[in-house]
Amino acid sequence: AQTVTQSQPEMSVQEAETVTLSCTYDTSENNYYLFWYKQPPSRQMILVIRQEAYKQQNATENRFSVNFQKAAKSFSLKISDSQLGDTAMYFCAFMNLNTGNQFYFGTGTSLTVIP
Amino acid sequence: EPEVTQTPSHQVTQMGQEVILRCVPISNHLYFYWYRQILGQKVEFLVSFYNNEISEKSEIFDDQFSVERPDGSNFTLKIRSTKLEDSAMYFCASGLGQNGQPQHFGDGTRLSIL
Repeated sequence: AQTVTQSQPEMSVQEAETVTLSCTYDTSENNYYLFWYKQPPSRQMILVIRQEAYKQQNATENRFSVNFQKAAKSFSLKISDSQLGDTAMYFCAFMNLNTGNQFYFGTGTSLTVIP
Repeated sequence: EPEVTQTPSHQVTQMGQEVILRCVPISNHLYFYWYRQILGQKVEFLVSFYNNEISEKSEIFDDQFSVERPDGSNFTLKIRSTKLEDSAMYFCASGLGQNGQPQHFGDGTRLSIL
């Protein structure tokens, strides 16, 4: 079974600063994808970024980037130039391509951007 | 941008009653999912649905749960005889289903069992 661990229940960052959210996972599979989703208060979960396990290059999406360390099974999210709208719950998710496309989620990190 | 919509946003039900949670997935998506999140816990997979049948289900998805796509647009989750421990946020998601494609989530339905 796959497990996803987010060890930081809550974090805060000053506006315009950089913050890194950690995520580790456990799997014996080789063929998978990793995702970060953002859930603003009372809003739906929105895809932030996606990483294919077979790609060594870290994914980037504007101010969002990941540090994917496959051997260490680590998938951290870096948010640069934090904005007030980044305040949300962030979920790390694992998709095992060999057992269907369902997600395995971490418990989430609540990020607050302080003005 | 198309969205997954869920109704109701909050459902309060007496223990033992049946409840139906409704979802309208994105129209060109082929795979549909239900997840739940008990307060303070992680989001957990319940079931995936493709081509009018269940493709995967978790241990949580026991005989009291069922899913249906009754009319080609709605995707429903039925809980036959609710228990207190069914209180949770239930998320519907849909996706194109090709490997690695992201799933698009609805806002969720908060189910409270009394």
